[in-house]
Amino acid sequence: GAVVSQHPSRVICKSGTSVKIECRSLDFQATTMFWYRQFPKQSLMLMATSNEGSKATYEQGVEKDKFLINHASLTLSTLTVTSAHPEDSSFYICSARRRQATPDTQYFGPGTRLTVL
Amino acid sequence: QQQVKQSPQSLIVQKGGISIINCAYENTAFDYFPWYQQFPGKGPALLIAIRPDVSEKKEGRFTISFNKSAKQFSLHIMDSQPGDSATYFCAASSGYSTLTFGKGTMLLVSP
Repeated sequence: GAVVSQHPSRVICKSGTSVKIECRSLDFQATTMFWYRQFPKQSLMLMATSNEGSKATYEQGVEKDKFLINHASLTLSTLTVTSAHPEDSSFYICSARRRQATPDTQYFGPGTRLTVL
Repeated sequence: QQQVKQSPQSLIVQKGGISIINCAYENTAFDYFPWYQQFPGKGPALLIAIRPDVSEKKEGRFTISFNKSAKQFSLHIMDSQPGDSATYFCAASSGYSTLTFGKGTMLLVSP
């Protein structure tokens, strides 16, 4: 159990377009979902934390209007990169905190590789 | 300021050897210390985790050693195999706080 999926796994888009990435907890309810960004050979950088039904909390330096997060249900969160530019190219990973479990256990998705041309 | 310092940055171990990765933390409120394994192009996967009430936890070939007074914890991979070649991240958190990750260690196990 505790499987988290992401869709798409890879996306290539033109500069100026918007891209939506979905994160789903497949077999559990997630009270909280997290979005991370990872550059090659670097650690995970937390972008934002989202709780179901409420606004996301963004980390310092992350543009809210650039990275729109919606946590519509206990099993789905979406990240929309608006007006993407080449510098937004990165590996985006979501994770989910399981409801009715120890608060610190997070399960990660497989990641989405975004390439902006 | 990085709150979890991980070393070494990279590590090469011969097959069958022991891989050791170390992490040190500053925040004494941390009470959960997981290790994640990440293969290229994949998301991190929880490998093993420990809480400060024990000094060691073992799961198969993977062992976490924890030294509360020194604020250090380490991952030991016994009988390292080529399939263990990956990037390993230590992390720490307290309660409902977010995970603070180390910078990662790229492990290569040579055949």
